[in-house]
Amino acid sequence: DIQMTQSPSTLSASVGDRVTITCRASQSISSWLAWYQQKPGKAPKLLIYKASSLESGVPSRFSGSGSGTEFTLTISSLQPDDFATYYCQQYNSYLITFGQGTRLEIK
Amino acid sequence: QITLKESGPTLVKPTQTLTLTCTFSGFSLSTSGVGVGWIRQPPGKALEWLALIYWDDDKRYSPSLKSRLTITKDTSKNQVVLTMTNMDPVDTATYYCAHTRYSGYDCPFDYWGQGTLVTVSS
Repeated sequence: DIQMTQSPSTLSASVGDRVTITCRASQSISSWLAWYQQKPGKAPKLLIYKASSLESGVPSRFSGSGSGTEFTLTISSLQPDDFATYYCQQYNSYLITFGQGTRLEIK
Repeated sequence: QITLKESGPTLVKPTQTLTLTCTFSGFSLSTSGVGVGWIRQPPGKALEWLALIYWDDDKRYSPSLKSRLTITKDTSKNQVVLTMTNMDPVDTATYYCAHTRYSGYDCPFDYWGQGTLVTVSS
């Protein structure tokens, strides 16, 4: 199985900050990586697919990069609505795995 | 407009079999390239992928749960059913179904149901 490791587990930041979340794969997944945002009591929402492609309707302050085993999700200027938990997901292999999540909280 | 909704028991006893139904609209599982997956999330914990079925009846299962899971589709009813045997309290979680596609390669889950909380307790 491909393991996905996110860091940090928790991130404290302020409105207007630029933040970066990292996701590492245990083996190369090319660019087959997605990022999701989840708010309490809600289903995850797809933000980024294929490592850097922005899902329709997602604000441009969200961006993704990386390939192989290391990936990042960047939020260029945090907005109040962005405080949530973020998950990466690989879909390179026949099987799917998620990262353990990064909770983005207000400083 | 794609929508999905999970249904099933909210409480099951240990050792029982859980049967969850995902009823969807806005797409058909008889259409080439369409898939539906199941993902769960224990309270306060991370997402865990469980199973996936495609329009061509290709089925995939999480290796750690494969012996306990069965996924099927009923295209006439626009439903996907997941069964999980031998339920245990550690299986307490919110269970989601979600839409995906196959475009020559797997794709992420772009539409999700609201989730259904299943508690395992005697």
